[in-house]
Amino acid sequence: DVKVTQSSRYLVKRTGEKVFLECVQDMDHENMFWYRQDPGLGLRLIYFSYDVKMKEKGDIPEGYSVSREKKERFSLILESASTNQTSMYLCASSMSGGGYEQYFGPGTRLTVT
Amino acid sequence: GQNIDQPTEMTATEGAIVQINCTYQTSGFNGLFWYQQHAGEAPTFLSYNVLDGLEEKGRFSSFLSRSKGYSYLLLKELQMKDSASYLCAVRDLDNTDKLIFGTGTRLQVFP
Repeated sequence: DVKVTQSSRYLVKRTGEKVFLECVQDMDHENMFWYRQDPGLGLRLIYFSYDVKMKEKGDIPEGYSVSREKKERFSLILESASTNQTSMYLCASSMSGGGYEQYFGPGTRLTVT
Repeated sequence: GQNIDQPTEMTATEGAIVQINCTYQTSGFNGLFWYQQHAGEAPTFLSYNVLDGLEEKGRFSSFLSRSKGYSYLLLKELQMKDSASYLCAVRDLDNTDKLIFGTGTRLQVFP
């Protein structure tokens, strides 16, 4: 059974803290994605990676960075958390080459106070 | 610009048929996905269309018209468990596997 796991389901952090969200997939997928999901705004792409150490900005990269040192792991980093980064964060992975579905992790609900 | 439109909410009755529409205006097009997302859960894949026409998969079907920038998801014999959000997503023609998601349609099925 294919699996994408995320390090936490719920996380509460203070403004200014550095936050790490981890995502691991066991399907040997080339692509990995980080989204945030907010009511009325849908899923918005933050960053994606198409190979180890390769990354591209998505639609809303400001305030975030990513790391992909191993194929199965993709980390999202909030350098200095702010209240407007309170959201649901979803990680996904897919094969490359087009037309392949993305598999999503269960999500991390991050609250920044 | 990139724009994907779906109705925000729909309601239907158990056993009925419902059609969820999606229109898109994107700089390129290389396929359209439908995902289902139950409240508090991750999205799960339902269907993929890249050519015009209807793809049927059990109670769910998805239709695409590339010339009209239009797709719909058809759900037959509705069940209470079909209450969920349905997300339309377009793959752009930029040689990556990125998807552009619509804001989703929340479907409520009543007995």
